[in-house]
Amino acid sequence: GENVEQHPSTLSVQEGDSAVIKCTYSDSASNYFPWYKQELGKRPQLIIDIRSNVGEKKDQRIAVTLNKTAKHFSLHITETQPEDSAVYFCAASMGAGGTSYGKLTFGQGTILTVHP
Amino acid sequence: GAGVSQSPRYKVAKRGQDVALRCDPISGHVSLFWYQQALGQGPEFLTYFQNEAQLDKSGLPSDRFFAERPEGSVSTLKIQRTQQEDSAVYLCASSLARGGSYNSPLHFGNGTRLTVT
Repeated sequence: GENVEQHPSTLSVQEGDSAVIKCTYSDSASNYFPWYKQELGKRPQLIIDIRSNVGEKKDQRIAVTLNKTAKHFSLHITETQPEDSAVYFCAASMGAGGTSYGKLTFGQGTILTVHP
Repeated sequence: GAGVSQSPRYKVAKRGQDVALRCDPISGHVSLFWYQQALGQGPEFLTYFQNEAQLDKSGLPSDRFFAERPEGSVSTLKIQRTQQEDSAVYLCASSLARGGSYNSPLHFGNGTRLTVT
């Protein structure tokens, strides 16, 4: 089955700096890569996602890049703010063809702390 | 509310007890997923429903775990003879599209934190 590795496990930055979280996946059939933000005791919330026919996607301060050949994808957060502090999870799935986008394999998570 | 609702929010069970966890998906959502999230880990897939049909239960860890969605709306995850290793947060998620889709991503509930003593 699919295996997703995520690094680093913890990341500490100063407010205004950029943060980068990286993930690798094992199954070349995976074609959907969402990122979730989870605050303590709360639900995972989708912050951005990308399909394998796209190399990069940006939404305001957040961007995701995908390298299909190397089987890795990254989350970039610019101009970090204290409210960005949370646990971030990458995930992968094989959408379409009978299986589903919703059957996600998650990484282990990155605890991001943004210091004011 | 418009979100996915789960109850109870917290559940403490003694080892060997049976528990039932409830999920109310967003109205009209076809797909419903259950995930298990151990402390400090990412969620792990348990099972998937499309309407009332359970199409994938490959993630259920043992035959003590059972899920149902009899009318294609509310779902219940039942764990029989709970063990300490069952302690985790159980997350439910729903999606408007069959199987979820790029244009209809998963909406998660806040989860039920199960502690088995």
